[in-house]
Amino acid sequence: SQTIHQWPATLVQPVGSPLSLECTVEGTSNPNLYWYRQAAGRGLQLLFYSVGIGQISSEVPQNLSASRPQDRQFILSSKKLLLSDSGFYLCAWSVPRGQSAFFGQGTRLTVV
Amino acid sequence: QQQVKQSPQSLIVQKGGISIINCAYENTAFDYFPWYQQFPGKGPALLIAIRPDVSEKKEGRFTISFNKSAKQFSLHIMDSQPGDSATYFCAASMDTGRRALTFGSGTRLQVQP
Repeated sequence: SQTIHQWPATLVQPVGSPLSLECTVEGTSNPNLYWYRQAAGRGLQLLFYSVGIGQISSEVPQNLSASRPQDRQFILSSKKLLLSDSGFYLCAWSVPRGQSAFFGQGTRLTVV
Repeated sequence: QQQVKQSPQSLIVQKGGISIINCAYENTAFDYFPWYQQFPGKGPALLIAIRPDVSEKKEGRFTISFNKSAKQFSLHIMDSQPGDSATYFCAASMDTGRRALTFGSGTRLQVQP
C-alpha cells in the first residue's frame, strides 16, 4: 500500500532563517506531488506541484521554492523565512492523471 | 473561474441528526468532486467523491448529492456522531496534467452528544 511521510510535524523558526520540509511517498512510482498551505481556519492553497523529477510548477509568487530530487521525494524550502510564512504545510500525492489526492500529516510552521 | 464556495462556515448538530454542507463551483471544466475530513493537527483524509455523470453517491452514513445544472454539490452525514466532529472540505479538479484540487474554505462541524 502507498504511504506518505512528512516531517517534521512541528517547527518553530526565527524570521530570516532557512527552511527545509521534506516529503516522501512509498509504494508508488512517478506520482504527482503537491505542496499546499493551510492558514488558520481556512482552506488549502496550492503552492507547488510536480509531475516528475526536476519538474516543478509554482502556483503563487512567494518566498518559498520546491524541488524534487528523486521520484518520490518532494522538498519545500526557503532561504529566509518571513512571519507571513507561518502556517500548516501539507504534502500530497496522486497517481499520474489520477483524481484522488492523498495527504501527509502536515507540518505546523511558526515563524517568530 | 477556479473558485469553490462552501457553506456554512460552522455547523452544530445534535447526535443522530443530519449534517448538510453545501458547495458551489463556477468552472464547468471541473469533473471530479471529492470531500475531505480533517481532524485538528492532521492532514485531510479523502472521505467520498463523485463525478458529474452521477447525481448521488452514498458510502455508509455519507452521501454526496450533485446538481450539475446548478453547479452545486453537497455532503449529507446521516445519524451524525460526536466522532464526526471535524472540519470538512469540498474540492474540485479538472483533467489537466497537474490534476490539482481547488478547495472550499471548510466547514467546522460539531456534533453534540
